[in-house]
Amino acid sequence: GAGVSQSPSNKVTEKGKDVELRCDPISGHTALYWYRQRLGQGLEFLIYFQGNSAPDKSGLPSDRFSAERTGESVSTLTIQRTQQEDSAVYLCASSPLGRGRGDTQYFGPGTRLTVL
Amino acid sequence: AQSVTQPDIHITVSEGASLELRCNYSYGATPYLFWYVQSPGQGLQLLLKYFSGDTLVQGIKGFEAEFKRSQSSFNLRKPSVHWSDAAEYFCAVDGNKLVFGAGTILRVKS
Repeated sequence: GAGVSQSPSNKVTEKGKDVELRCDPISGHTALYWYRQRLGQGLEFLIYFQGNSAPDKSGLPSDRFSAERTGESVSTLTIQRTQQEDSAVYLCASSPLGRGRGDTQYFGPGTRLTVL
Repeated sequence: AQSVTQPDIHITVSEGASLELRCNYSYGATPYLFWYVQSPGQGLQLLLKYFSGDTLVQGIKGFEAEFKRSQSSFNLRKPSVHWSDAAEYFCAVDGNKLVFGAGTILRVKS
């Protein structure tokens, strides 16, 4: 079956513009995660959605970052008034059950964001 | 607090040599433990995971990892490295939160 997909694969934007990144999880997966990976660094947790529960937004670095998820399907990560330090690869992952259950996460290929 | 440490940022091994990547975690109980691999330009892929029971876990691509409770470690091993194993490797801990280590970049020299 299809894996996790993300779009766009690459995004170049100017400082101060808003960007929207999309993630299509694997069908039936209740959990969805967003991570940021800066060049040469590890994964930085951003936000976690689990079914209809309130999302865990504890990793969002500022109020310029927000994310939504429609039910158990598509998620959108929005960055407002982008800054150069937002340049990174943004990774989305989904899993069948969620955190604390030993779930395997299935990662998308990522969106490479470059802020000029 | 839950944390994961991968002490080695970079490791270089010769093709055919054995490999061990270190991972130490901090958590109040026994968590679920994972190793993921990220090849250049790719997303992360699961290599193996530990749930419970046998402390030696076999994964894909000839990798294995051993859970040692007394050392709070989950080191990844491979007896003979191939050039295609060059990638970045992430250890992850799933307790009450899911936390990834900073990663270890593996270089393979011929």
